[in-house]
Amino acid sequence: GAVVSQHPSWVICKSGTSVKIECRSLDFQATTMFWYRQFPKQSLMLMATSNEGSKATYEQGVEKDKFLINHASLTLSTLTVTSAHPEDSSFYICSARFRGYTGELFFGEGSRLTVL
Amino acid sequence: AQRVTQPEKLLSVFKGAPVELKCNYSYSGSPELFWYVQYSRQRLQLLLRHISRESIKGFTADLNKGETSFHLKKPFAQEEDSAMYYCALSPGGSNYKLTFGKGTLLTVNP
Repeated sequence: GAVVSQHPSWVICKSGTSVKIECRSLDFQATTMFWYRQFPKQSLMLMATSNEGSKATYEQGVEKDKFLINHASLTLSTLTVTSAHPEDSSFYICSARFRGYTGELFFGEGSRLTVL
Repeated sequence: AQRVTQPEKLLSVFKGAPVELKCNYSYSGSPELFWYVQYSRQRLQLLLRHISRESIKGFTADLNKGETSFHLKKPFAQEEDSAMYYCALSPGGSNYKLTFGKGTLLTVNP
């Protein structure tokens, strides 16, 4: 199947700093990428939908100035957590839909963010 | 609003026993339903979707529109089936956003 790669897999940062997480589709062009957040022992919560070349669409309750999403190319979307605080600590997962969508989304391995 | 409910957080069965993971949904239109699985230390991956009407790794799931359910079943569970299972709903058409249930952790004991 298609491969989606996230980097970094885990990151620890100090409160107040910004952290960037990359999501790449390695062998296909992803017209749409989705960013999720997962708290321990809870489900995935959709944060935003990212379409190549346009602004991301954020879900209700997600601060767009806090979680900056950029989808500059058909193979790369980035999530930047700005001025991170301990409550931003979470598992962030991206998924991608490729151009010839057949109903399946491909997921990255996730990135664990810990804010001290 | 769309909602997916998986009533069981944990499900434990013995190897060879039948297993059923429940999923109910709430959506006014004609959604697409999926089951995703996450094995230990691996990424989330698609197990099956209702429009395919296929059996994957011995699992099947039938969409029951009357009961708004999409339960996942396997007649004889195997130890390697132990994983986290998520039921998910997409509105369909050109809307690909997935809404996930909270997941059910299946443990198959030897």
